[in-house]
Amino acid sequence: NAGVTQTPKFRILKIGQSMTLQCTQDMNHNYMYWYRQDPGMGLKLIYYSVGAGITDKGEVPNGYNVSRSTTEDFPLRLELAAPSQTSVYFCASSYRAGSGNTIYFGEGSWLTVV
Amino acid sequence: ILNVEQSPQSLHVQEGDSTNFTCSFPSSNFYALHWYRWETAKSPEALFVMTLNGDEKKKGRISATLNTKEGYSYLYIKGSQPEDSATYLCAFGSNTGNQFYFGTGTSLTVIP
Repeated sequence: NAGVTQTPKFRILKIGQSMTLQCTQDMNHNYMYWYRQDPGMGLKLIYYSVGAGITDKGEVPNGYNVSRSTTEDFPLRLELAAPSQTSVYFCASSYRAGSGNTIYFGEGSWLTVV
Repeated sequence: ILNVEQSPQSLHVQEGDSTNFTCSFPSSNFYALHWYRWETAKSPEALFVMTLNGDEKKKGRISATLNTKEGYSYLYIKGSQPEDSATYLCAFGSNTGNQFYFGTGTSLTVIP
């Protein structure tokens, strides 16, 4: 079972470069999320989507963009990478949010901006 | 932004010891409380999803309780084993939004 798949697993970017983190899920979940995890800071929500064509900002959206053209895919774009975006990024999905439904996470993407 | 706090931040216990940690969350607009187990270099995996005040869940040696009126949940591990070493995260779901709010986690190390 694939679940939530995100790529790449590791990436080093130079300051000012752009890149897209890919995320796809095969569970037909409506809700998808992008989190970043910084040491000692827990998981912070960047963006989320409640269905195809609908996205909304989370706690830390600055410097990122998302799109949701299909139920399965929820890519995260970093524009003009900055050292502050060095982090571990997790894509996740659930059937619904704020409910009894489990969140399923991808394996994480380690991004370093130098 | 809602505040979800976990304590302690880290914990070292001897193999065989029992232990517990706390997740504190807002007592208003409660919808769900999740517990996740997160091993290094892996993705968080769900342990429990709790939705009712007084809920008690159990999976093997791990159990959890929920008090929504006072805004806390306890996670208990009985007879800790080295393979229990991980970070344990809680996440609060509010009935006013579409987000989960995560605590910073409790890092557990079980010493053989």
